[in-house]
Amino acid sequence: DTGVSQDPRHKITKRGQNVTFRCDPISEHNRLYWYRQTLGQGPEFLTYFQNEAQLEKSRLLSDRFSAERPKGSFSTLEIQRTEQGDSAMYLCASRGPGDEKLFFGSGTQLSVL
Amino acid sequence: GEDVEQSLFLSVREGDSSVINCTYTDSSSTYLYWYKQEPGAGLQLLTYIFSNMDMKQDQRLTVLLNKKDKHLSLRIADTQTGDSAIYFCAESMDTDKLIFGTGTRLQVFP
Repeated sequence: DTGVSQDPRHKITKRGQNVTFRCDPISEHNRLYWYRQTLGQGPEFLTYFQNEAQLEKSRLLSDRFSAERPKGSFSTLEIQRTEQGDSAMYLCASRGPGDEKLFFGSGTQLSVL
Repeated sequence: GEDVEQSLFLSVREGDSSVINCTYTDSSSTYLYWYKQEPGAGLQLLTYIFSNMDMKQDQRLTVLLNKKDKHLSLRIADTQTGDSAIYFCAESMDTDKLIFGTGTRLQVFP
């Protein structure tokens, strides 16, 4: 399977804990995106990378959130001191150079108890 | 600000055509997308259209764009039960930041 891969598929955590998600984009895709989707809503943009550089961050991305893409391949999204309001599906997407198509992974469903 | 609106629900009989509508507010949108999401799954890109086009057809899918009214539609011909899902339209100026609607839940009944 050469699609966008996300791990884990599901994460249940207690409020106040830290969590980290991983995304492996499609090979050779230089741009990588993180979106968040809450129940009954469409996805909302969080941040994106071109290679290892983080080019834009949404106002939704509070200082408890940090994303990295250290070698320009996989990316991690960490949430510190999780809150119940962080419960959502976190979606990763990637895009190749000059391509208009954005391909999404299956997401990580986070539940904060 | 940017906003994308969709009707919440559509129910059609198997074999009929489905038409899902979307309106957007950003006149500078360059790309408009349709994605499909099945329960518990990520988003599957169905098709997309440039703002300088008014129609695109891809097998059972037809996209119509009325740029003057900022209205986008997705027609699915010969709708099947496997088409039951949530359909999202999205607009973007530059393909990096997509603005999604709230989604239309399509239910196909026999």
